[in-house]
Amino acid sequence: GAGVSQSPSNKVTEKGKDVELRCDPISGHTALYWYRQRLGQGLEFLIYFQGNSAPDKSGLPSDRFSAERTGESVSTLTIQRTQQEDSAVYLCASSRLAGVPETQYFGPGTRLLVL
Amino acid sequence: QKEVEQNSGPLSVPEGAIASLNCTYSDRGSQSFFWYRQYSGKSPELIMSIYSNGDKEDGRFTAQLNKASQYVSLLIRDSQPSDSATYLCAVNTGFQKLVFGTGTRLLVSP
Repeated sequence: GAGVSQSPSNKVTEKGKDVELRCDPISGHTALYWYRQRLGQGLEFLIYFQGNSAPDKSGLPSDRFSAERTGESVSTLTIQRTQQEDSAVYLCASSRLAGVPETQYFGPGTRLLVL
Repeated sequence: QKEVEQNSGPLSVPEGAIASLNCTYSDRGSQSFFWYRQYSGKSPELIMSIYSNGDKEDGRFTAQLNKASQYVSLLIRDSQPSDSATYLCAVNTGFQKLVFGTGTRLLVSP
């Protein structure tokens, strides 16, 4: 079946502009996660959605970052007034059921470059 | 102290040797443990998951978990150049998100 998809695959923007990143999880997966990975670094948790519950936003680095998800479908991560330090790969993952040890499946990522 | 720690490497092994990758974690309440492989420029892909103390084998890969000592390891037997990648250890602490280590870079030389 189809895996997690993300768009765009690459995004180049100017400092101060807003960007919107999209994630389509695997169908039927109730949990969706956003991570950030800077060059040569590990994965940094940003935000987690499970069904219609309130999202866990504990990893968002500043109020310039926000994310939405409608039900168990597509999620968008928005970065306002982008800064050069926002340059990274943004990875989305989904899992079938959170709350139990479930495997997260990753999308290909969006490579963001802020000039 | 970081929640999940890994040696960044690189760990260099010759083709055919056993590669041993280690990971320690700080939260004793951690419930499940995962090893992901990440090739350069690609997204992580799951290699192994382990939930109970002891060994779990899958082909050339063996995951080992010791909750008392708070470590989890990944052994790769008969290492191949195609195994060269960064290996990420991830721990589910029960709060419905994975905490990742920074990864160990493995280099397998022909």
